[in-house]
Amino acid sequence: DAKTTQPPSMDCAEGRAANLPCNHSTISGNEYVYWYRQIHSQGPQYIIHGLKNNETNEMASLIITEDRKSSTLILPHATLRDTAVYYCIVRVGNTGGFKTIFGAGTRLFVKA
Amino acid sequence: NAGVTQTPKFRVLKTGQSMTLLCAQDMNHEYMYWYRQDPGMGLRLIHYSVGEGTTAKGEVPDGYNVSRLKKQNFLLGLESAAPSQTSVYFCASRRTGADTGELFFGEGSRLTVL
Repeated sequence: DAKTTQPPSMDCAEGRAANLPCNHSTISGNEYVYWYRQIHSQGPQYIIHGLKNNETNEMASLIITEDRKSSTLILPHATLRDTAVYYCIVRVGNTGGFKTIFGAGTRLFVKA
Repeated sequence: NAGVTQTPKFRVLKTGQSMTLLCAQDMNHEYMYWYRQDPGMGLRLIHYSVGEGTTAKGEVPDGYNVSRLKKQNFLLGLESAAPSQTSVYFCASRRTGADTGELFFGEGSRLTVL
C-alpha cells in the first residue's frame, strides 16, 4: 500500500472551512484514498473515500487532484467537536487491500 | 447491534504474565484487525485475519499471537507481557463486497505492563 504524508498539526477557526492536505505521490491506479478521524482516545471513525472523482457526504468533501498524487479533506464549517486526529490512507479497493496501514495523521485544533 | 466490542477495556499486568484480549463483532464481517496505539502516535497493525481460521502478520507482530476460530471473534494473546507492550489496543472489522470497505473500530483496550 502507498505511503501518505500529512502535516503533523493544523489550526482552524470555528465556523470556517478546514482543509487537510495529504500527499500520496506513489499511489497506484487501483488504490483508493480513505480518510478517518480519531477523537480523543476513541476508536477511529470512517469519514469518506474516493478513487478519482471528488466525493461529498454529510461529514466532509474529498478533493483528489487529477494526477491522484494528493488530496484534500474539507470540513466545510468546522466545529469544536471536529478537533481530532485525521488520518489519510491509501489502499487497494474493497476486493483486496487486506492491510490497512495508518500513518501519524494530522492533529486538527478547532478554536473558538 | 453492538458493532465491535472489546474486552477487557482496562488491564494491568506484571512483566511475564499472559493475557488474551477478545474482539467480537456482530456485523458478519470477514476481515478483522488488531492495532496498537502508543501515546501521541498513529495506529500500527499487529495482526489481521481475512476469514475464519486465517491469520496474517501486520507491521508489528512480534510478541503477539492471534486466533480466529469463529468468524465473529478475533483474539489477541500476549504470552509473556513486556513493558514495551503497554499501549491501547484497537480491534477493527470490515466486510467484503461491492461497498465502501470502511473499518469499524472498537472502543479500545488499555493495557499497562509493570
